[in-house]
Amino acid sequence: DGGITQSPKYLFRKEGQNVTLSCEQNLNHDAMYWYRQDPGQGLRLIYYSQIVNDFQKGDIAEGYSVSREKKESFPLTVTSAQKNPTAFYLCASSITRDGSSYNSPLHFGNGTRLTVT
Amino acid sequence: KQEVTQIPAALSVPEGENLVLNCSFTDSAIYNLQWFRQDPGKGLTSLLLIQSSQREQTSGRLNASLDKSSGRSTLYIAASQPGDSATYLCAQNGFQKLVFGTGTRLLVSP
Repeated sequence: DGGITQSPKYLFRKEGQNVTLSCEQNLNHDAMYWYRQDPGQGLRLIYYSQIVNDFQKGDIAEGYSVSREKKESFPLTVTSAQKNPTAFYLCASSITRDGSSYNSPLHFGNGTRLTVT
Repeated sequence: KQEVTQIPAALSVPEGENLVLNCSFTDSAIYNLQWFRQDPGKGLTSLLLIQSSQREQTSGRLNASLDKSSGRSTLYIAASQPGDSATYLCAQNGFQKLVFGTGTRLLVSP
């Protein structure tokens, strides 16, 4: 079955450590996204990528980094510079996200819950 | 700044009731409006996508409407079931950006 796989489901880290969250999709989608979800807030966009080797900052990119070396993979690194990293992180993909065609639904993974102490 | 508001934040109904969830958005430049379902601790599942040129979309017991002039969308759930219990989120797809509401947490009691 096609879908998006996020791993691990739960992740615990000590403050000051960098951590990388995995996101893999086999939907052959061009665009991939990382969102952060906090209680009482809507999803907020961290980074997105429309094509391999290209990505753009979202609304809350500070303290995060991404790479898009393969179409299927879009890992997110939460660096020690991120002040409040504890959150639920969601990866998503869509068929395309160019300037003229946004009418494809987003498909989401099941998320990674990161706890930093 | 684009904002999406969902009211109510929580809703509890007995099984079998028809119900309406509301979504308001501020930006009239909209490509589409998407409704999602989220179960606790899980990702989001796309339910319906209404393009800006459409007024409504239907899938089974779900019907979503879009009124761009008033900046509103509604999700109608017919004959609710306990399995419908989840958080429902709407998202406005404007230029270059998808903005999410904070969701309505629905509980359907048997």
